[in-house]
Amino acid sequence: DQQVKQNSPSLSVQEGRISILNCDYTNSMFDYFLWYKKYPAEGPTFLISISSIKDKNEDGRFTVFLNKSAKHLSLHIVPSQPGDSAVYFCAASYLQGAQKLVFGQGTRLTINP
Amino acid sequence: DTAVSQTPKYLVTQMGNDKSIKCEQNLGHDTMYWYKQDSKKFLKIMFSYNNKELIINETVPNRFSPKSPDKAHLNLHINSLELGDSAVYFCASSQANGRAIGNEQFFGPGTRLTVL
Repeated sequence: DQQVKQNSPSLSVQEGRISILNCDYTNSMFDYFLWYKKYPAEGPTFLISISSIKDKNEDGRFTVFLNKSAKHLSLHIVPSQPGDSAVYFCAASYLQGAQKLVFGQGTRLTINP
Repeated sequence: DTAVSQTPKYLVTQMGNDKSIKCEQNLGHDTMYWYKQDSKKFLKIMFSYNNKELIINETVPNRFSPKSPDKAHLNLHINSLELGDSAVYFCASSQANGRAIGNEQFFGPGTRLTVL
C-alpha cells in the first residue's frame, strides 16, 4: 500500500514557464514533507521541505505548498530552467522520532528550451 | 570530496551468491540508512543505524544483514541472492536521529545490483 503517490510519471515544461509537480499522501500522521531531485546515475539530493505547521515554504525559485486537509503537496519551480530537468521525488516523514522517509515513485521533469 | 560514497557502483552476480555493498560518509553524521529502489522506481527504506545501533528494520528478508563497524560506515551484506534482489541500493546519512528539520538525508550515488 503506497502511502505517498506521485500520479504523474512525467511532465514537460517550456523553459521560463512554471513547473508544478504534485504529490498526495494517505497517512495523516505524516507531519514533515520533502522534495528530492535526482539526476541519472546519482543519488537523490535534498531540495526543499515543509512541516505540517506551515502551508508554504519558499527557497529561491522553489516553493512547496501543503494542503493538509486534502493530504496534498505541490512543488512549484519558476522560472523553469534546463538544469531543472531531473526526476523529482516527494517524501513524507515525521518531525520527531526515527527518520524514515516514505517516497513517492517520482516525476520526470523535462524542461524544453 | 564525496560526502556519501558507495562501492561498487555496479554489481552483476549469479543467483545464490553472497555479496556486500559498502557505504562511507565523511559528513560526521550519526545516522545512516539503506534504501532500495525497485523496478517500479519506488525508494523504500530497509535499515537505519544511529551510532552503530540498529534503529529501523523494515520488513526485509533476513538474507539482508547490515553491519556498522563505526558511525561513518554502514555495509550491506546479502546472502543467497535472488532474482528479485535486483535493484538500485542507496545509502544515506543524516546528522542526528530524533529531529527532522535541519537534518535532511544525504544520499550516495547508488549501487545497481543485477542478479542473473
